Amino acid sequence: DIQMTQSPSSLSASVGDRVTITCRASQGISNYLAWYQQKPGKVPKLLIYAASTLQSGVPSRFSGSGSGTDFTLTISSLQPEDVATYYCQKYNSAPQAFGQGTKVEIK
Amino acid sequence: EVQLVQSGAEVKKPGESLKISCKGSGYSFTSYWIGWVRQMPGKGLEWMGIIYPGDSDTRYSPSFQGQVTISADKSISTAYLQWSSLKASDTAMYYCARLSGSYYTSPFDYWGQGTLVTVSS
Repeated sequence: DIQMTQSPSSLSASVGDRVTITCRASQGISNYLAWYQQKPGKVPKLLIYAASTLQSGVPSRFSGSGSGTDFTLTISSLQPEDVATYYCQKYNSAPQAFGQGTKVEIK
Repeated sequence: EVQLVQSGAEVKKPGESLKISCKGSGYSFTSYWIGWVRQMPGKGLEWMGIIYPGDSDTRYSPSFQGQVTISADKSISTAYLQWSSLKASDTAMYYCARLSGSYYTSPFDYWGQGTLVTVSS
C-alpha cells in the first residue's frame, strides 16, 4: 500500500510568516491529494483537494501544489487561528491513507 | 444541510462487543461513500474503511481488516462500525465522514462529531 510521509512533524513560526508543509507519497498518486486541518479538540476540516483546489470557505492564504509523489501545503501569512495539526491524505484508490500530521504552533 | 450525527461516548470492558453509529441527513445517503477514521489519544488520523450504502460495497484498510466490521442500513440512513471483542488498544475517538463524490476516489468533505470509545477493565 502507498505510504504518506509529511515533514516536518512540527513547526513553530511567527504571525505573518510563510509556512510550508510537505507530503510525499511512496508511489505516484497523480493529484489525488487532500489536506485537512484539525484544531485542538475539534473535528478535522477539509482545506484542499485535488492537490490545489481550495474547499469552499477556506481562506485564500492557504494553497496547495504538487503532483505525482511530492506535494506542498503553504500558508502565506500565518495567523493565530491557524494553530492546528495538518494532515495530507491520498485518495487515488482504496485503501486511502493519511500522513502522520504536522503540528503548527505560533512562536 | 449535510449532517453526520454519531452515537454517544462508550465505556466498555475488554472482550465486550460494541456497535457505534453515524446517521446521515441532508443528502442522498445511498449515493455517497461513508468512511470511518480512528484517532488514538494524542495521535494522528488513521483511515479504517469505507462503505457505499447503495449496495454495501465495503473497502477496508489492511490494518483494520478482520478487526472491525463496517455496515450500513440505508432504510434509516445510518452507517455502523462494530467490534466483536474489544481490546484496550481500541480506546480512541472514532469519526465517520462522507466522501465528497460517488466514487471512492474522493476526499472526506463532511465529518461527524466523533464517538469516544474507552476500553478499560
